[in-house]
Amino acid sequence: GNSVTQMEGPVTLSEEAFLTINCTYTATGYPSLFWYVQYPGEGLQLLLKATKADDKGSNKGFEATYRKETTSFHLEKGSVQVSDSAVYFCALRDGGFKTIFGAGTRLFVKA
Amino acid sequence: GAVVSQHPSWVICKSGTSVKIECRSLDFQATTMFWYRQFPKQSLMLMATSNEGSKATYEQGVEKDKFLINHASLTLSTLTVTSAHPEDSSFYICSVGEDATQYFGPGTRLLVL
Repeated sequence: GNSVTQMEGPVTLSEEAFLTINCTYTATGYPSLFWYVQYPGEGLQLLLKATKADDKGSNKGFEATYRKETTSFHLEKGSVQVSDSAVYFCALRDGGFKTIFGAGTRLFVKA
Repeated sequence: GAVVSQHPSWVICKSGTSVKIECRSLDFQATTMFWYRQFPKQSLMLMATSNEGSKATYEQGVEKDKFLINHASLTLSTLTVTSAHPEDSSFYICSVGEDATQYFGPGTRLLVL
């Protein structure tokens, strides 16, 4: 079945550091890929998405590229801020419209 | 994107009681809504797919008699946790969206004492 694997956290970075959170997926067909962010005590918010191979999703300085050849959708940001501290979930959505989530990666950014 | 609300945002109840959680799609008519459960420091797990005007579709391992879902209109789905027990304490989240993008509600935190 479909699945999403993302790097275990927590990830601790200093402000202005470069961020990479790895995400790989297993799926039949051509799923859409997403990154969601969950701030403490809140629900999920869509951060970015890509619906086909080689698409790049971007938002708030975060980017991720849909790589079909490596079945990956790694999240990157060039310079993190304290306010980026949250849990990040990689997810895929197949043609049946079920969303499969990765385990989540907690990010701590220190001032 | 769609705006999704949930009520209540948090609830504390005694063991054995039933709790109803509402999910409303404020600006989107949803024939399908999804219910997820998230345990502390874990990912979201799909519980069921709520279908307007018909029975919900439950994921494997989810007791349909314990988690009653009613999708009475295009803007409202309810999840009732019947005879709640402490192990049902969790964060319950609904979502709507009929294409590749889902929009999530803010979640309802349930604590069963």
